[in-house]
Amino acid sequence: GAGVSQTPSNKVTEKGKYVELRCDPISGHTALYWYRQSLGQGPEFLIYFQGTGAADDSGLPNDRFFAVRPEGSVSTLKIQRTERGDSAVYLCASSLRAGGLMNEQFFGPGTRLTVL
Amino acid sequence: AQSVTQLGSHVSVSEGALVLLRCNYSSSVPPYLFWYVQYPNQGLQLLLKYTSAATLVKGINGFEAEFKKSETSFHLTKPSAHMSDAAEYFCAVSDLRAGGTSYGKLTFGQGTILTVHP
Repeated sequence: GAGVSQTPSNKVTEKGKYVELRCDPISGHTALYWYRQSLGQGPEFLIYFQGTGAADDSGLPNDRFFAVRPEGSVSTLKIQRTERGDSAVYLCASSLRAGGLMNEQFFGPGTRLTVL
Repeated sequence: AQSVTQLGSHVSVSEGALVLLRCNYSSSVPPYLFWYVQYPNQGLQLLLKYTSAATLVKGINGFEAEFKKSETSFHLTKPSAHMSDAAEYFCAVSDLRAGGTSYGKLTFGQGTILTVHP
């Protein structure tokens, strides 16, 4: 079956603009995660959803970042007033459920965001 | 809070040689541990995971890792490197709650780029 998909694959924007990044999880996966990977670093946790609700948003760096998952499937990560420091690859992952032995996370290919 | 340290940002081996990628973790409770591999322009792929069932864990592509609580380590090994193993490898930890289930989020190390020479 299809894996996790993310769109767009690349996004170039100007400082101060608003961007939306989309994630389509594997069908039937109830948990969805967002990570950010800066150049030369490992992925850093941003937020995860169990169903429609954000179970843990402790990794969001500030209030310019927001994510939604209104129907418990597709998720959108929204960044307001983008800054050059937001440039990174944004990764999405999904798992059957959060936590426990079945929490293998399947990752999408990522969206590369460049803020000029 | 949990953390992961990967010793060596770059490791270079000859084809057929032993691969050893080091990972040490810091966690308040025994964690779940994972190794992921990232090939160029591809998403992260799970190699193997430790979830307290057995200390020696076998994964895909001939990789294995041993959980050593006394050393807080989870090093990744492969007896004989292949050219196709060239990639970036990430160790990750997921803390366990008091009841034994894990938190959802993963904490990753900074990654180790493996180069395999012919």
